[in-house]
Amino acid sequence: QVQLVQSGGGVVQAGGSLRLSCTASGFTFSTYAMHWVRQAPGKGLEWVAFIRYDGNNEYNEYADSVKGRFTISRDNSKNSLSLQMNCLRTEDTAVYYCTKDPYRSASGIYDYWGQGILVTVSS
Amino acid sequence: QSVLTQPPSVSAAPGQAVTISCSESSSNIGNNYVSWYQQLPGTAPKLLIYENNKRPSGIPDRFSGSKSDTSATLGITGLQSGDEADYYCGTWDSSLNVGVFGGGTKLTVL
Repeated sequence: QVQLVQSGGGVVQAGGSLRLSCTASGFTFSTYAMHWVRQAPGKGLEWVAFIRYDGNNEYNEYADSVKGRFTISRDNSKNSLSLQMNCLRTEDTAVYYCTKDPYRSASGIYDYWGQGILVTVSS
Repeated sequence: QSVLTQPPSVSAAPGQAVTISCSESSSNIGNNYVSWYQQLPGTAPKLLIYENNKRPSGIPDRFSGSKSDTSATLGITGLQSGDEADYYCGTWDSSLNVGVFGGGTKLTVL
């Protein structure tokens, strides 16, 4: 069965960096696009970043709120997805979800979700 | 950027039906598929409906989706206490290449 197992969350000071990871299993990772979605405490879902099936960074997309600070990447040889978060702000505090797209490029469909991991940015 | 608007809350009695709307401020929703997600308390969201009206394997036919030019609707029939959750609509804005979610609707089964 499809599994997305996340790691790397924690507490970091504002201005600091953190790297989230997501290890996929149960499907052919290299043939599907992936996204990160986050949810601030008590708030709704916010799309964060997208990467194509082949990891071609030319096609990465980011929400305006994280553009220039976050970088999405993938290693298809290791079935892994990452989100490098730099220059963190208190408003980046959220549960971050690794999500799978059922297509090779972005469709706006997130058919499987990781368990979520909490990132807390302190002031 | 597209903005998807949902009612903050809806409620209905067990066994009854409810609809949740998702409307867009611009006309882009007409050009993009809408999906729906259910988030039970303390859990990750789950895909309920994709491409406006398709159900993934394992989703009961009590859940349905529809879409018009500028709005989409999630329908739930035969409400059960286990349906109490937050529901989100979402789409991909293909003109801006960004993902968009509605603000979420809390369903209460009275």
